[in-house]
Amino acid sequence: GAGVSQSPSNKVTEKGKDVELRCDPISGHTALYWYRQSLGQGLEFLIYFQGNSAPDKSGLPSDRFSAERTGGSVSTLTIQRTQQEDSAVYLCASSFGTGAAGYGYTFGSGTRLTVV
Amino acid sequence: GIQVEQSPPDLILQEGANSTLRCNFSDSVNNLQWFHQNPWGQLINLFYIPSGTKQNGRLSATTVATERYSLLYISSSQTTDSGVYFCAYYVGGFKTIFGAGTRLFVKA
Repeated sequence: GAGVSQSPSNKVTEKGKDVELRCDPISGHTALYWYRQSLGQGLEFLIYFQGNSAPDKSGLPSDRFSAERTGGSVSTLTIQRTQQEDSAVYLCASSFGTGAAGYGYTFGSGTRLTVV
Repeated sequence: GIQVEQSPPDLILQEGANSTLRCNFSDSVNNLQWFHQNPWGQLINLFYIPSGTKQNGRLSATTVATERYSLLYISSSQTTDSGVYFCAYYVGGFKTIFGAGTRLFVKA
């Protein structure tokens, strides 16, 4: 598509429930990133996918968080047994290569998750 | 890890004013980028600037890698420039780290 598409744009869930957040990157972009932005804070790296390589999961805050990328395209970020501290905007970005290659990221509009 | 410090943390400008945002690093960084997050949360890549100077309309950026800082200049500011400006760098392992941001509000 023309841009990075994320869904849903807003999600309110009860504490303890599981949620799935979806990211559809720009066609042809091999790299996909998930970031989290808490209210008034900067961006926190969560996970990175590059082609068919094993993802870099070093930023995932706990084992309740997992992500997959099917067919090198769409990615799903799953949060199990949500907690109130999980409330944040979850941003997805894609790029042709890595940040080191100098290709700029294109970010989606994010999913605003509220855990009540 | 490398410390990233953005200044000022908050900035209020009158429309038409110029401003300079700064990003300092505690060590050498690769592939410095500047982003703008508009009030609706959308992040836009402004510049990829590992060194030197680039200009795009009213915005320009300069990175002096040897002195570990980068500057973002906004000239003749407009209300649409409001939002948060982040600098970010590639830290290796396919990971990009973002600064805490400078929150800019341009008054009409």
